[in-house]
Amino acid sequence: AQSVAQPEDQVNVAEGNPLTVKCTYSVSGNPYLFWYVQYPNRGLQFLLKYITGDNLVKGSYGFEAEFNKSQTSFHLKKPSALVSDSALYFCAVRALGGGGFKTIFGAGTRLFVKA
Amino acid sequence: DGGITQSPKYLFRKEGQNVTLSCEQNLNHDAMYWYRQDPGQGLRLIYYSQIVNDFQKGDIAEGYSVSREKKESFPLTVTSAQKNPTAFYLCASSPGAGTVSSGASVLTFGAGSRLTVL
Repeated sequence: AQSVAQPEDQVNVAEGNPLTVKCTYSVSGNPYLFWYVQYPNRGLQFLLKYITGDNLVKGSYGFEAEFNKSQTSFHLKKPSALVSDSALYFCAVRALGGGGFKTIFGAGTRLFVKA
Repeated sequence: DGGITQSPKYLFRKEGQNVTLSCEQNLNHDAMYWYRQDPGQGLRLIYYSQIVNDFQKGDIAEGYSVSREKKESFPLTVTSAQKNPTAFYLCASSPGAGTVSSGASVLTFGAGSRLTVL
């Protein structure tokens, strides 16, 4: 079965420090991996995706993610956190179901950046 | 501007009533999705549709129904059979349908509808 795990409910980091939000996945075949961000009472916004190629993917707002096939991980990173990065982050995988592709989300990790 | 419009933003329902949540997109996307979001559980897929007049059950379809009569519209009905309907509902769409390239498709989300059962 295809699945995504985000082992941390919450990550706390001080402004200016690097941040990492963890994600591991389980899929059959080549993975299509995504990160989305959600601000309060809003829909999700796309940050970045890994399809193929370089293991380090760069996305919006200075975020990047590292794909590690041997560890089946796709951790989200940012070199220097901002207070405005505080939000709920979701890792996701695209999987082929009976009716075509569907996106499966992890449970989400809440990021708090303290000034 | 292209995007997805969900309405209403807030909805209150009495037990035993059916309610319909609207989702309209002007992105010319083939695929549309409904997710339910509960605290600590992330997003769970209710139904999805890759093409007009066709849709598939997701992981938690019981107590819900959908239709896809037009490419732009994918309304969700929360029926009285749904035992715990209070949640935040998110509609999304993506380009492509059933092709290998659609695996790389990014979802565009609406702003959500919050349903509360009184």
